[in-house]
Amino acid sequence: GAVVSQHPSWVICKSGTSVKIECRSLDFQATTMFWYRQFPKQSLMLMATSNEGSKATYEQGVEKDKFLINHASLTLSTLTVTSAHPEDSSFYICSARADRVGNTIYFGEGSWLTVV
Amino acid sequence: RKEVEQDPGPFNVPEGATVAFNCTYSNSASQSFFWYRQDCRKEPKLLMSVYSSGNEDGRFTAQLNRASQYISLLIRDSKLSDSATYLCVVDAGNMLTFGGGTRLMVKP
Repeated sequence: GAVVSQHPSWVICKSGTSVKIECRSLDFQATTMFWYRQFPKQSLMLMATSNEGSKATYEQGVEKDKFLINHASLTLSTLTVTSAHPEDSSFYICSARADRVGNTIYFGEGSWLTVV
Repeated sequence: RKEVEQDPGPFNVPEGATVAFNCTYSNSASQSFFWYRQDCRKEPKLLMSVYSSGNEDGRFTAQLNRASQYISLLIRDSKLSDSATYLCVVDAGNMLTFGGGTRLMVKP
């Protein structure tokens, strides 16, 4: 079974609205979680590294005010896409690793976002 | 230069063939290495970790060459179900870097 749960799996929203995606580690605590975006036929692109209890670290070119990340507990990180545009439509995936270097990185099932 | 580089492919091979992928990385401080498999429209799933001594899991063999900073994945006796994108993942402590993936198509 999944050890990292992501919700929702599919979401359709209107332009200008905000969408929140949750990423939960089920069997372990994760100080750090990662958020990725993947456009069709392209590779995973790291958007940001989510750190429990502190601000996320964003990759170059990713707007931190548009993609709000909150990592309020050791088992939950959320990504909120604010003021969504059709070009934000993508596959968003989170990953997490137990708090020990070298442990396997597990991915959530991903969330398909369609902005209409 | 990208931190983790892979040949995007696609590699088109017949069933039963042996195919190998390489992945090079630039960060010499990298500590852990993995191969993940991603099927179309799905999340990546761990295929195998890669150890310095090399490791084998059934038809899959992974190798790590720290001196030359590359890892490899060998698939023997390819099956149709092996068709997927194979992602090389390099872990430098708290920084996880993905290769762009290599697409494999196994044909009947």
